[in-house]
Amino acid sequence: AQSVAQPEDQVNVAEGNPLTVKCTYSVSGNPYLFWYVQYPNRGLQFLLKYITGDNLVKGSYGFEAEFNKSQTSFHLKKPSALVSDSALYFCAFLQAGTALIFGKGTTLSVSS
Amino acid sequence: EAQVTQNPRYLITVTGKKLTVTCSQNMNHEYMSWYRQDPGLGLRQIYYSMNVEVTDKGDVPEGYKVSRKEKRNFPLILESPSPNQTSLYFCASSPGSLWGYTFGSGTRLTVV
Repeated sequence: AQSVAQPEDQVNVAEGNPLTVKCTYSVSGNPYLFWYVQYPNRGLQFLLKYITGDNLVKGSYGFEAEFNKSQTSFHLKKPSALVSDSALYFCAFLQAGTALIFGKGTTLSVSS
Repeated sequence: EAQVTQNPRYLITVTGKKLTVTCSQNMNHEYMSWYRQDPGLGLRQIYYSMNVEVTDKGDVPEGYKVSRKEKRNFPLILESPSPNQTSLYFCASSPGSLWGYTFGSGTRLTVV
């Protein structure tokens, strides 16, 4: 079955340090991949997507993600973390062109 | 303001009492979808709709019904709720499958 996996339940990073939230995929064909963020008591917000083209995708709030076909990964990155980045992050892929299938989520905690 | 509006935000009900969670979007989006979010399971798709009168099952459709009589509305119906349907529900809409989804703020449902 096709899926995305987020191998870390929680990532802790100090403010100002770079952050990485990992996502690997098992998707046939050309994968369409997404990152979403969920702040406490809020709905999900779209961060960025990879459809085709450049492997480095830039998104909202200074986030970027690198699509790596050989490693089947789509890690989310930010050069300098902020305390306000603390949230729940979801990787997702588009299945059969219609259904957005999510990973289980990674909690990012940024300490001051 | 472009948004997806869900009502109610919170609902406590008893087993077997039919309920409807409403969802409305003001962006003229073709695609709409319902998800449930449970700890450790991430978001799972319940139903989705690609246009008026076109709906299809997601990963966890059992116990739920939907309808899409108008483009803007996509209600979720629980005809006989059970405690295992206690969850956080999200409605989302998108102009097309390769675009990001806009999510509502969520409905926290408790079935006792």
